[in-house]
Amino acid sequence: AQTVTQSQPEMSVQEAETVTLSCTYDTSESDYYLFWYKQPPSRQMILVIRQEAYKQQNATENRFSVNFQKAAKSFSLKISDSQLGDAAMYFCAYIEYGGSQGNLIFGKGTKLSVKP
Amino acid sequence: DAGVTQSPTHLIKTRGQQVTLRCSPISGHKSVSWYQQVLGQGPQFIFQYYEKEERGRGNFPDRFSARQFPNYSSELNVNALLLGDSALYLCASSLPHLGAGGSSYEQYFGPGTRLTVT
Repeated sequence: AQTVTQSQPEMSVQEAETVTLSCTYDTSESDYYLFWYKQPPSRQMILVIRQEAYKQQNATENRFSVNFQKAAKSFSLKISDSQLGDAAMYFCAYIEYGGSQGNLIFGKGTKLSVKP
Repeated sequence: DAGVTQSPTHLIKTRGQQVTLRCSPISGHKSVSWYQQVLGQGPQFIFQYYEKEERGRGNFPDRFSARQFPNYSSELNVNALLLGDSALYLCASSLPHLGAGGSSYEQYFGPGTRLTVT
């Protein structure tokens, strides 16, 4: 069964600095998608960035970028120029490409604090 | 465009009671998934529905059931509530991926329903 592991329960970053959140996953599939979701205290789960496993190029979305290492099954999120609004729980998620169930598998999350 | 909507926002029930949670997907989205998020954990998959048919079920007891309507909205029902059912219930909608099995990948979440069982 596929699993997603986030080894950092909590992280802290100074405003305007850069922080990297770690995620590893386990799967025997070769085609899949990976995501980072942000969940602020308001509870709304917001899609931050996605990566298709077949793409070698790392995805970027403004201040957010990923380091996708397929062989190592690693998928870290880098947040540059951190802002107070980035404070939230961040979840790494996996979904199998073309799978019958279409369900996301989430890690336990990393709580990010941003210090002014 | 309106996002995924869920109702009610909060709900308090007593052990043994039954509850119905509702979800309306983003316009044009035909797939709805339900997740349970216990405090301090990541969401756990409960069901996925696409075109009114169940396409996936997570490891949850038969007390949990769901359905999807012709307008693609969905209901999640939980019978015989237990204290352990207290959680945030999230609904996510998506465009179906037109691949094998009809599964979808990029999912957009609603604000959730906070269920407390006393």
